[in-house]
Amino acid sequence: RKEVEQDPGPFNVPEGATVAFNCTYSNSASQSFFWYRQDCRKEPKLLMSVYSSGNEDGRFTAQLNRASQYISLLIRDSKLSDSATYLCVVNGGKLIFGQGTELSVKP
Amino acid sequence: NAGVTQTPKFQVLKTGQSMTLQCAQDMNHNSMYWYRQDPGMGLRLIYYSASEGTTDKGEVPNGYNVSRLNKREFSLRLESAAPSQTSVYFCASSEDFEELSFGPGTRLTVL
Repeated sequence: RKEVEQDPGPFNVPEGATVAFNCTYSNSASQSFFWYRQDCRKEPKLLMSVYSSGNEDGRFTAQLNRASQYISLLIRDSKLSDSATYLCVVNGGKLIFGQGTELSVKP
Repeated sequence: NAGVTQTPKFQVLKTGQSMTLQCAQDMNHNSMYWYRQDPGMGLRLIYYSASEGTTDKGEVPNGYNVSRLNKREFSLRLESAAPSQTSVYFCASSEDFEELSFGPGTRLTVL
């Protein structure tokens, strides 16, 4: 079993839709969690950190469920510019990436 | 600040050739990482260095060696390149396993 797993998608949604991604991890001792965005195989950029209490940044909400060992990312009111690959990262003593979820937002 | 720099940006090798990918950061970060990314896959950790003077294997270390030359520099060496090592290589740094800052990547093709 991979340490960090994501549904690779692609997720094809219309503009304005709400879309959610999940990411599961196997190391119960993992300490910190992140969501990154990657455009066209350029270098990934940090989208947001994921805190135990959940956190929100504009249209983006990230949540952590330690009991079930997953993190989630919710995007509301999707924009064309949200089209990208979304990568979760888990720190279990080293920073491990999921395989990424591709999102395509259509007009 | 340049952030994280990588050289070269592109490289083509023949099977069996060797090369070193260079990475440097100017953010005074303790930790540095090498990842590879293949089509349809996320980034897989090759090696990392939690601090100057230490290196550890990641998920896919076979066929690679690393050197943490000083706090700024972390190099990745392919001793005998194989076609399976064709990939995009990203170097990154962070302060104690927090937010990663990435270099622009090296696109390597092994023929």
